[in-house]
Amino acid sequence: SYELTQPPSVSVSPGQTASITCSGDNLAKKYVCWYQQKSGQSPVLVIYQDTKRPSGIPERFSGSNSGNTATLTISGTQAMDEADYYCQAWDSSVVFGGGTKLTVL
Amino acid sequence: QVQLQESGPGLVKPSETLSLTCTVSGGSISTHYWSWIRQPPGKGLEWIGYVYNGGTTNYNPSLKSRVTISVDTSNNQFSLKLTSVTAADTAVYYCAKHGVSVHFDYWGQGTLVTVSS
Repeated sequence: SYELTQPPSVSVSPGQTASITCSGDNLAKKYVCWYQQKSGQSPVLVIYQDTKRPSGIPERFSGSNSGNTATLTISGTQAMDEADYYCQAWDSSVVFGGGTKLTVL
Repeated sequence: QVQLQESGPGLVKPSETLSLTCTVSGGSISTHYWSWIRQPPGKGLEWIGYVYNGGTTNYNPSLKSRVTISVDTSNNQFSLKLTSVTAADTAVYYCAKHGVSVHFDYWGQGTLVTVSS
């Protein structure tokens, strides 16, 4: 079965850029999306179709997908961005990455 | 604005069947794909399966033998049944709507189901 691999944790200082990776075999051939999940809340879509931002998502969130790795980038990270982030793709069924805890120090 | 609301028992006994319903408002259940997703306490997200077009389904291979997802178009609802549950099935269960691609653009608030005697 297809697997998506994310680092368990990423730390960033306020105002800096955070990058969260998601790796999978030939991932660039698939659409990747990203969700933000704050403690006790439902996931929220922040990026879909690799690079698109849903309405209401701040411009500091961006995505890319090349080769075997998709990346969620948060520019000018704010304290409110501290959350778990999950990547997701499709390979005959829905596949989620294991999640990355973003800490804003 | 589409809204989803999960409902069902919060406690299920081992070996019994977990049954949940998702009520959709602000959109028709007859269009789009609709999924169930779960999240064990302190762990990541696991897709369970989806239903679309009034009844066509696709399930996570790891759960396929125990899962049934169905649609009730008259009440704009879709449902999940998971048989022979164990403690490993304890999780927050979410229902979600698929967007135009493979992503989920609307989620319910989630409901915690505990499997315990």
